[in-house]
Amino acid sequence: AQSVTQPDIHITVSEGASLELRCNYSYGATPYLFWYVQSPGQGLQLLLKYFSGDTLVQGIKGFEAEFKRSQSSFNLRKPSVHWSDAAEYFCAVGAGFQKLVFGTGTRLLVSP
Amino acid sequence: GAGVSQSPSNKVTEKGKDVELRCDPISGHTALYWYRQRLGQGLEFLIYFQGNSAPDKSGLPSDRFSAERTGESVSTLTIQRTQQEDSAVYLCASSLSEVVNTEAFFGQGTRLTVV
Repeated sequence: AQSVTQPDIHITVSEGASLELRCNYSYGATPYLFWYVQSPGQGLQLLLKYFSGDTLVQGIKGFEAEFKRSQSSFNLRKPSVHWSDAAEYFCAVGAGFQKLVFGTGTRLLVSP
Repeated sequence: GAGVSQSPSNKVTEKGKDVELRCDPISGHTALYWYRQRLGQGLEFLIYFQGNSAPDKSGLPSDRFSAERTGESVSTLTIQRTQQEDSAVYLCASSLSEVVNTEAFFGQGTRLTVV
């Protein structure tokens, strides 16, 4: 069965600094991978997704993620964090239809 | 509508009572999903609908949980004889189809507290 691990529960980054959120997945075949963001009082919003092709995926709000099959990872990155990026970030893996398996999330705090 | 709408946004209920949670998907979206998000945990898949039928109910945790969808639109998740462990945020999502590369749009959720 597929699973997703987000090893960092909380991360604090200074505004303007770079960000990397880790995600490791377990899935037997080629995975479909997603990153969602959940801001306070908001629903989940899709940041980016990977299905095939170029392993570096660009998303909204300046985020990108890189699929590394050898490491079973799909880490999310942003070169310069803004205070508005403070939120909870979820990595998810899907197989077949849209039955997504989510990680437990990483809460991002942005310090001034 | 403009987005996925869920109601109520918050629900406090006494243990043993039944509750109904409502989801209005985006118009024209044939696929609808329910997830549960317990405190400090990721989202757990509960059930998905394609049209009015539910091909996969495997995530429903017990027979106290049921869901239906009518008119390929509104869906209701019903929890009977609520227990404290049912306390969670229940999220609904919809997408144009069940194919995995179509984006799922999430509602803001219903926060259920069982006291």
